[in-house]
Amino acid sequence: DGGITQSPKYLFRKEGQNVTLSCEQNLNHDAMYWYRQDPGQGLRLIYYSQIVNDFQKGDIAEGYSVSREKKESFPLTVTSAQKNPTAFYLCASSIDGGHTEAFFGQGTRLTVV
Amino acid sequence: SQQGEEDPQALSIQEGENATMNCSYKTSINNLQWYRQNSGRGLVHLILIRSNEREKHSGRLRVTLDTSKKSSSLLITASRAADTASYFCALKAYSGAGSYQLTFGKGTKLSVIP
Repeated sequence: DGGITQSPKYLFRKEGQNVTLSCEQNLNHDAMYWYRQDPGQGLRLIYYSQIVNDFQKGDIAEGYSVSREKKESFPLTVTSAQKNPTAFYLCASSIDGGHTEAFFGQGTRLTVV
Repeated sequence: SQQGEEDPQALSIQEGENATMNCSYKTSINNLQWYRQNSGRGLVHLILIRSNEREKHSGRLRVTLDTSKKSSSLLITASRAADTASYFCALKAYSGAGSYQLTFGKGTKLSVIP
């Protein structure tokens, strides 16, 4: 089946540790996005990528890093520099950046313990 | 980057009634999209309206866009209990170097009472 897959669904991390969230799509989409959602809040853009080997910072990039080495993969690393990392993380992709809809994964819930 | 602002934050209606949600924004956009999110899940795309369009329909959904007022509305007609969810407007805007940002508002939480 075509789609966008995030893993793991739940992730626990100790303070001071880096952790990487996976996002894979087999839709042959060029554009990919990472968002953070806090309880009862909207989505805030962390990073986005239009093509392979290129990405841009969103509104809340501090404490996060990404890579886009392959078209189908856009992993997000939450570093120890992120002061409040506990949140629901959503990855999305779209065919391109223009008049196209985004498809979302089911999210990863990260908890710092 | 800008975010859309949805209004109201929460809306509770009886099954069969219509639900209207609004979204306002501040700068120019390429298009505006509406998404739905069931609790704890990913978002599902509902409808996209381009900046040169004024109205679009999809089933029980009707979206309008007024670029002079920088606002959009989503109307769900004949609501059902299954429509209970959070609804978000998303703004697609050119951010330079061939890239487009897709930014979301805080959403409207819709409850449809059977």
